[in-house]
Parts: sequence; structure tokens; C-alpha cells
Amino acid sequence: QVQLQESGPGLVKPSETLSLTCTVSGGSISSSSWSWIRQPPGKGLEWIGFISYSGSTDYNPSLKSRVVISVDTSKNQFSLKLSSVTAADTAVYYCARGGINRFDFWGQGTLVTVSS
Amino acid sequence: EIVLTQSPATLSLSPGERATLSCRASQSVSGYLAWYQQKPGQAPRLLIYNASNRATGIPVRFSGSGSGTDFTLTISSLEPEDFAVYYCQQRSNGLTFGGGTKVEIK
Repeated sequence: QVQLQESGPGLVKPSETLSLTCTVSGGSISSSSWSWIRQPPGKGLEWIGFISYSGSTDYNPSLKSRVVISVDTSKNQFSLKLSSVTAADTAVYYCARGGINRFDFWGQGTLVTVSS
Repeated sequence: EIVLTQSPATLSLSPGERATLSCRASQSVSGYLAWYQQKPGQAPRLLIYNASNRATGIPVRFSGSGSGTDFTLTISSLEPEDFAVYYCQQRSNGLTFGGGTKVEIK
């Protein structure tokens, strides 16, 4: 059973860069695609982007200029960097397996608050 | 960007009743549509993919149908644990989610 766990700061200052890591266990990160998805408090889901097993990426056009997703196969981890954050980026951030078609395994999510 | 519109926003039903949730796309997504269930404080759970395929471990009371722009998620007989928010998601052109339908106890 694949398991995912997000980690990173729960508080980020405006204009700074949000950085999160997702650790994958129970399966190889090299065999699938992996995504980041977020959910502002009380709102719906927004896909941020994904990285494939080959390292290619695809991002939500609305966030593309501020997002970088990378993978570290030696650690079975993938990461998210979102720059120039504002209060609008406050959300629960989920990592998930998938991105080509569907998301079949999800992390529990981590709340990131943007505030000074 | 393809916009997914879910209706109704809220569905008030009793256990044992049939639930019918709709997801309409602003343009055709072929069959590349998935459904998720989310309970408070939890991550979404995949229910249906490619419009009509149940994900692993999903009970048979959940079924999906549709193609093109109109899709339906049906729960044949609501169990107490089915009261939650349901989202549709497409990956035909970009990747977007619908706004969700909350299924609440009447």
C-alpha cells in the first residue's frame, strides 16, 4: 500500500517561498507520476502541478510562473516550491499519486498559513 | 480551461435513499472524468475513474456514468458513512476539479 506524507513549515511570510516535501513509502517514486493539490479553508480543490516518473512537469497555468515541482529518487521524495506567496495561498496542501488521469493515493494534507 | 459545474450544491437525503450527483463540463472531456469523496478533516478518496470504473475497494453502491460533457455519480442506497462532499475532476484538457456537491443527512 502506497503511503504519502507531507512535511514543511506551517507558517510562511508574505512574499516568501513556500516549500513542502512529500515522502513516499510502500512503492517506488520512479514508477508513477506525482502531484500537488491544495484546498483553501472551506473551499474546493485546486491542482497545482505534477511531475512524471521521467521528470517532466506540468503546472496549473494560473500558478505556473510561481511553481517548481522536483523529485529526489534517492530519497523517494518529491517537492513543491511556490514563490511570492500571499494570503490567497493559505490552504491545506496535499501530495498525491497521479496526474495523468486520476489521483489514487493521497497524503493526509498539511495546512500552510501565509501571514506576517 | 475546462470548467466543471456540479449540481446540486447540496443534496439532503436520508439513509437508504438513492443519490444522483451531476457534473457538467464546459467542453467535452471524452471519458476522462473521476469522482472523489471527501469527509471533514480527511483527504479526498478516489471513487470512480474514466467515468465508470470503480477504484479498488469502492463498494458497488457507487457507480459512475456519462461521456462528453455530462456525467453522473449514483449512490444506490446511502449508508451513514456516505454523507460527505463529492468532487468530479477532468484531465482531458488541463486538470480541473468541480466545485463539489455536499450530501447531507435530511
